[in-house]
Amino acid sequence: AQSVTQLDSQVPVFEEAPVELRCNYSSSVSVYLFWYVQYPNQGLQLLLKYLSGSTLVKGINGFEAEFNKSQTSFHLRKPSVHISDTAEYFCAVSPNQAGTALIFGKGTTLSVSS
Amino acid sequence: DTGVSQDPRHKITKRGQNVTFRCDPISEHNRLYWYRQTLGQGPEFLTYFQNEAQLEKSRLLSDRFSAERPKGSFSTLEIQRTEQGDSAMYLCASSRSSGANVLTFGAGSRLTVL
Repeated sequence: AQSVTQLDSQVPVFEEAPVELRCNYSSSVSVYLFWYVQYPNQGLQLLLKYLSGSTLVKGINGFEAEFNKSQTSFHLRKPSVHISDTAEYFCAVSPNQAGTALIFGKGTTLSVSS
Repeated sequence: DTGVSQDPRHKITKRGQNVTFRCDPISEHNRLYWYRQTLGQGPEFLTYFQNEAQLEKSRLLSDRFSAERPKGSFSTLEIQRTEQGDSAMYLCASSRSSGANVLTFGAGSRLTVL
């Protein structure tokens, strides 16, 4: 079985500062990894995904994440955040086989202030 | 591509009543998923369909819950004899039948049980 741990439940940061949201996973098989974002009163939106290949993955809105197999981590980073990045961020994992459900972490609330 | 549609967006009901939610996936997506999200938690997997076949059910899906996808297109999630603990956001997602599970989510149906 797979599991996901998001190490920080809340991350407050000032506008234009860098941010890292941490995600660790557990799995006995190879995995696909995802970050989703949920803005207030909206559905989940795919931010980026790691399926295979390059371990540095770039997503929308200037976010990127790095897959580290030895540390079983998939941390999300952005060099300079905006007020509009305030949202809930979810890391998710699934076994690398078609059709299996995604398992989500509990989420990290990113609060960007001026 | 009109995205994943869910109806109703909000439902308030009294304990003991039955409720039904509908999900219309992206038309070319064969897979359909139901998740439940409670406050401060990540989405929790409930069940999954490939076309009309229900292939996986979580232990969270008690006997009071039933999901159908009769023609392999839209799906319904019914909760019988609702309890206050059923209050949550019910999320539907869909994905293609090949390759990695990249889920597209709907905006969700929020259930409040009084």
